[in-house]
Amino acid sequence: DAMVIQNPRYQVTQFGKPVTLSCSQTLNHNVMYWYQQKSSQAPKLLFHYYDKDFNNEADTPDNFQSRRPNTSFCFLDIRSPGLGDAAMYLCATSRSAGVADTQYFGPGTRLTVL
Amino acid sequence: AQTVTQSQPEMSVQEAETVTLSCTYDTSESDYYLFWYKQPPSRQMILVIRQEAYKQQNATENRFSVNFQKAAKSFSLKISDSQLGDAAMYFCAIRSGTYKYIFGTGTRLKVLA
Repeated sequence: DAMVIQNPRYQVTQFGKPVTLSCSQTLNHNVMYWYQQKSSQAPKLLFHYYDKDFNNEADTPDNFQSRRPNTSFCFLDIRSPGLGDAAMYLCATSRSAGVADTQYFGPGTRLTVL
Repeated sequence: AQTVTQSQPEMSVQEAETVTLSCTYDTSESDYYLFWYKQPPSRQMILVIRQEAYKQQNATENRFSVNFQKAAKSFSLKISDSQLGDAAMYFCAIRSGTYKYIFGTGTRLKVLA
């Protein structure tokens, strides 16, 4: 089945230690998104890629970076995680950026910062 | 700016009964889509139903239907014949003009056996 896969599902890191979260998709979608979701809150868009074109949200901290080496994979790098970065990180894809396009979500990676 | 408001942090429904989750939104766009997503515990968020703003007919998807009141900017989700598997967090979202989804804060639905 075509899907969005996130690895790992659970990640524990130490305060200040860089961490990378991974997302892959078999949908061959052009757009990939990263969201941060804190407990009992709405998902918050961090950035997205349209093909290789990177789009950062204005309020995304510089601590968060992303890479998309090819259509299938996208990575979220947190350079120096703080306690406030503990959250669920959701990857999503859509065929295009059109208003009608549905986003397909991965299961998320829950990040714990010690 | 667009906003989505879900005023019910938590709802409960008896199995086999009907429940309605509320959502209101605000946008200045004329072309937009509205979505309901379901996020079960520890599982991925999946699309439940979507509504095109220019369509007056309410969308339905099996046991799920919406009541779309464009003038009132209201987009409620009705779940009929509730099942235990419907227990989840439900997010209302709007998308217009750009890539960006604006999500509400969610409603946690509990289904009682």
